[in-house]
Amino acid sequence: TQLLEQSPQFLSIQEGENLTVYCNSSSVFSSLQWYRQEPGEGPVLLVTVVTGGEVKKLKRLTFQFGDARKDSSLHITAAQPGDTGLYLCAAPLVGDYKLSFGAGTTVTVRA
Amino acid sequence: GAGVSQSPRYKVAKRGQDVALRCDPISGHVSLFWYQQALGQGPEFLTYFQNEAQLDKSGLPSDRFFAERPEGSVSTLKIQRTQQEDSAVYLCASSLGGDRGAFFGQGTRLTVV
Repeated sequence: TQLLEQSPQFLSIQEGENLTVYCNSSSVFSSLQWYRQEPGEGPVLLVTVVTGGEVKKLKRLTFQFGDARKDSSLHITAAQPGDTGLYLCAAPLVGDYKLSFGAGTTVTVRA
Repeated sequence: GAGVSQSPRYKVAKRGQDVALRCDPISGHVSLFWYQQALGQGPEFLTYFQNEAQLDKSGLPSDRFFAERPEGSVSTLKIQRTQQEDSAVYLCASSLGGDRGAFFGQGTRLTVV
């Protein structure tokens, strides 16, 4: 059983559309991170959220951390082909140091 | 260098062969992690170092896997007597620790034939 459940597993949309990716758990986290990974590359850190209810914006990407610090979402506005990739959420359990990753959401944005 | 560097990028090994994968972390990063990633899946934890100390090796799949970081900088992941199920991408990440996120290398894609 995955500690972090991501949904959907796959998402294919047209350029200009919006999308949301979800990351859920029954565990409480001290922080949660989102990464994007392109084929043949390692994951690249996008953002870290720390406070329950926190919202962070990175250009067209909006990240939200749930009030109870058990879940998070990533929303992309007006998606572009360059947004294509595997989106991963990751978090350490409270008091732990190692990151546990979700299985990822593969996003494909068609031109 | 500016980022985490892993070598080789690709490795093809015959079943039964020993392999060694190298990771050069970001200078000054205390924490170093090794992860294994299957195609289309999230990375799975293998082992963790804080400086030269290996604090957690609970994710290593078998005693054929061994990791070291003797001087608290460069790390090597060694796999003895490779098996086909060892085929995967092996990712190294380094971090300053805490909630500051991890920086990953490009990974080594290991194929055992």
